Amino acid sequence: KQEVTQIPAALSVPEGENLVLNCSFTDSAIYNLQWFRQDPGKGLTSLLLIQSSQREQTSGRLNASLDKSSGRSTLYIAASQPGDSATYLCAVFFNAGGTSYGKLTFGQGTILTVHP
Amino acid sequence: GAVVSQHPSRVICKSGTSVKIECRSLDFQATTMFWYRQFPKQSLMLMATSNEGSKATYEQGVEKDKFLINHASLTLSTLTVTSAHPEDSSFYICSVPPGYYGYTFGSGTRLTVV
Repeated sequence: KQEVTQIPAALSVPEGENLVLNCSFTDSAIYNLQWFRQDPGKGLTSLLLIQSSQREQTSGRLNASLDKSSGRSTLYIAASQPGDSATYLCAVFFNAGGTSYGKLTFGQGTILTVHP
Repeated sequence: GAVVSQHPSRVICKSGTSVKIECRSLDFQATTMFWYRQFPKQSLMLMATSNEGSKATYEQGVEKDKFLINHASLTLSTLTVTSAHPEDSSFYICSVPPGYYGYTFGSGTRLTVV
């Protein structure tokens, strides 16, 4: 069964700290992996998309890495701010026989709280 | 990336009534859209894949007669929760197939059945 797991489930850090969120997946045959942010009661905001051929992507203070062989991705947040407080979701599109899109499998998310 | 509009954002309905949720792709012709459900403190689970001009494909365990999906045009898919019950209370969210920046999701609909 293709599964996505995120650790930790919750994280609380002081402002300014660098932090790492972890995502692991059970099948290395992935098409891509995407990190999202979800604020309470809101929809999903895409943060970073990593194609299976890529090893990392960067956007501002965010850096996401991908290691397919070990089934892992990390989201690194530099110099965290209170505004970064949200739930961070990792979603994997497992290779579905060559199609370029289909069912995303989500992790349970990491609830991040950055306190001033 | 694509722009996806979902309406309503929040709805409260009485048990036994039906509720329709709309998902619009504003700048992208989507022959396929996806509907997810998220229970409190849980992650998103795909319910069904909406196909323009044909029947939706439902995930295992999702009742197709309860969750009616219509994809009548390239920009609109609707999810109707029929004869809603309190256990159907959830956060429903749609998405369109990925573009260069990946999947784009609507803003979600919080359904509360009382």
